[in-house]
Amino acid sequence: EIVLTQSPGTLSLSPGERATLSCRASQSVSSSYLAWYQQKPGQAPRLLIYGASSRATGIPDRFSGSGSGTDFTLTISRLEPEDFAVYYCQQYGSSTGTFGQGTKVEIK
Amino acid sequence: QVQLVQSGAEVKKPGSSVKVSCKASGGTFSSYAISWVRQAPGQGLEWMGGIIPIFGTANYAQKFQGRVTITTDESTSTAYMELSSLRSEDTAVYYCARVGEEMATISHFDYWGQGTLVTVSS
Repeated sequence: EIVLTQSPGTLSLSPGERATLSCRASQSVSSSYLAWYQQKPGQAPRLLIYGASSRATGIPDRFSGSGSGTDFTLTISRLEPEDFAVYYCQQYGSSTGTFGQGTKVEIK
Repeated sequence: QVQLVQSGAEVKKPGSSVKVSCKASGGTFSSYAISWVRQAPGQGLEWMGGIIPIFGTANYAQKFQGRVTITTDESTSTAYMELSSLRSEDTAVYYCARVGEEMATISHFDYWGQGTLVTVSS
């Protein structure tokens, strides 16, 4: 089973700053089958990025994804107040869909 | 627009079973896999398993093999997740989610249900 490790656990930033979130896989994720989700308290996760770098429908262009193999990054270019949330990566290159443990982006 | 509407909250005794439903509307039901993902209080997301309705064969995370059963009813566009031998550690919000790629066993999830809280307590 592929294990995903996200870092940092918590990111304390101010609105307008750049956020860089990391997701590292225990083995190569085939065909860059890596997705990112945003989750706010009491809500279901929301798809942001799939295929490592493709933005989902309606996602602002301040969100971008990059990476391949075992190292992936989610970048939020300028944090808006509504971006403070928990972010999860998910791999779907194997026959299972494992998630990372999450990164919380909080207001500094 | 695809919508997934789940059944309501459940309180169960340890050792019992729970069955959660997920009714889909809009879009095509049969050829898009539905997965179940759970989230314990204050914890992360955990994939449990999924099924493509038209094929009817589910695949499960190793952790849940033998204890979870995922099924669908194409006539009502509804997916079900049944978890047996419940213990306190199974207390969580259970989500159904639809994959974003047709005929893919597993993929990214573009639509999610609202979640169903299952509480296991004596």
